[in-house]
Amino acid sequence: DQQVKQNSPSLSVQEGRISILNCDYTNSMFDYFLWYKKYPAEGPTFLISISSIKDKNEDGRFTVFLNKSAKHLSLHIVPSQPGDSAVYFCAASAGGTSYGKLTFGQGTILTVHP
Amino acid sequence: EADIYQTPRYLVIGTGKKITLECSQTMGHDKMYWYQQDPGMELHLIHYSYGVNSTEKGDLSSESTVSRIRTEHFPLTLESARPSHTSQYLCASSESGGPGGNTIYFGEGSWLTVV
Repeated sequence: DQQVKQNSPSLSVQEGRISILNCDYTNSMFDYFLWYKKYPAEGPTFLISISSIKDKNEDGRFTVFLNKSAKHLSLHIVPSQPGDSAVYFCAASAGGTSYGKLTFGQGTILTVHP
Repeated sequence: EADIYQTPRYLVIGTGKKITLECSQTMGHDKMYWYQQDPGMELHLIHYSYGVNSTEKGDLSSESTVSRIRTEHFPLTLESARPSHTSQYLCASSESGGPGGNTIYFGEGSWLTVV
């Protein structure tokens, strides 16, 4: 049972446009959500996170939106740059003693064309 | 950013060999983790530690074992490697508590191939 799902295996956008990556979850106990970026042969790099008490968090070109009723979150990258091309993972945790124990989605490959 | 170091980065070994993947962090984080990722798949937690002499198995069953004798060091050992153990192993760490404890920082990973 996959509790965190990224239904789009890949996304291709033009440089300068917006990239929107989506993530759905099923576990109502999840209360903290994160996005990681991963280049081939490297470890994931933390991008941005959001607590369930918020519905939006912004950091530079990256904004994460959380819709708790729909159990859906999205990552917006504006403007997209070729260096953003990587695999993006959505992750969630249930808080409490589960802090740091993350459940990951399968990832979305983002390609930004010059 | 946390400074987490993993060695070796790449390893090819024969079936039945014993291997240890090393992981060290310099941030003084109490919590450390091992995740496993097969190509194109999600990351799965296989081991975690909340401090010295504390180790627990994660959500994905693994034949590997871990130890935590020092805060900064969290090695993973496979006593007898098999081809099914071929994967990327990612070490991570985080702060002790609160929302900051949810943000884990990864090392660059160890790619293990068992032939």
